[in-house]
Amino acid sequence: DIHMTQSPSSLSASVGDRVTITCRASQSIRNYLNWYQHKPGKAPQLLVYAASRLHSGVPSRFSGSGSETDFTLTISSLQPEDFATYYCQQTYITPQTFGLGTKVEIK
Amino acid sequence: QVQLVQSGAEVKKPGASVKVSCKAFGYSFSSYSIHWVRQAPGQRLEWVAWIDAGTGNTKYSQNFQGRVTLTRDTSASTAYMELSSLRSEDTAVYYCARDVYAASDIWGQGTMVTVSS
Repeated sequence: DIHMTQSPSSLSASVGDRVTITCRASQSIRNYLNWYQHKPGKAPQLLVYAASRLHSGVPSRFSGSGSETDFTLTISSLQPEDFATYYCQQTYITPQTFGLGTKVEIK
Repeated sequence: QVQLVQSGAEVKKPGASVKVSCKAFGYSFSSYSIHWVRQAPGQRLEWVAWIDAGTGNTKYSQNFQGRVTLTRDTSASTAYMELSSLRSEDTAVYYCARDVYAASDIWGQGTMVTVSS
């Protein structure tokens, strides 16, 4: 299975901060990398698919980049509703696998 | 409105089976595949299995060693996941999710399955 390593596992940030989360795959996954936002008690929400494509309705402050093994999710200006856990997911090879998550907390 | 609605929480004893449903609304059910993903307490999301809602073709994670079975009823726009020989480690929230662009764009609200004696 492809192992996905996310960092950091958690971070504290203030509203308006720029936040960067990284995800590394244990082998090349081309651009088959997705990012999700997950809030307690709710279903995960797709933010970015194919490494850099913003899902419909997702605010433009979210962006994704990277290819092969190294990927980044950036929130350009953190908003109160962005405090959540973020997961990366590879869908290049079955079984699809997820990172351990990055919890974004209020500073 | 495009959504997936899952069945309610379940409490089962070790060794029993559970069947979770996932009903689709607002889109052509047979045109998309459905993934099942679970999250145990404090753990990462884990992919369980996939079904092509049109053909019924399935793929399963080897981690479940034949304990999981996916089916669908196209007339009811509903997908089902059955997990057998339950053990305490299967306690988790189980999600169904629609596949599009090799991602999951619509998720069900989750079904809590608790395995306890």
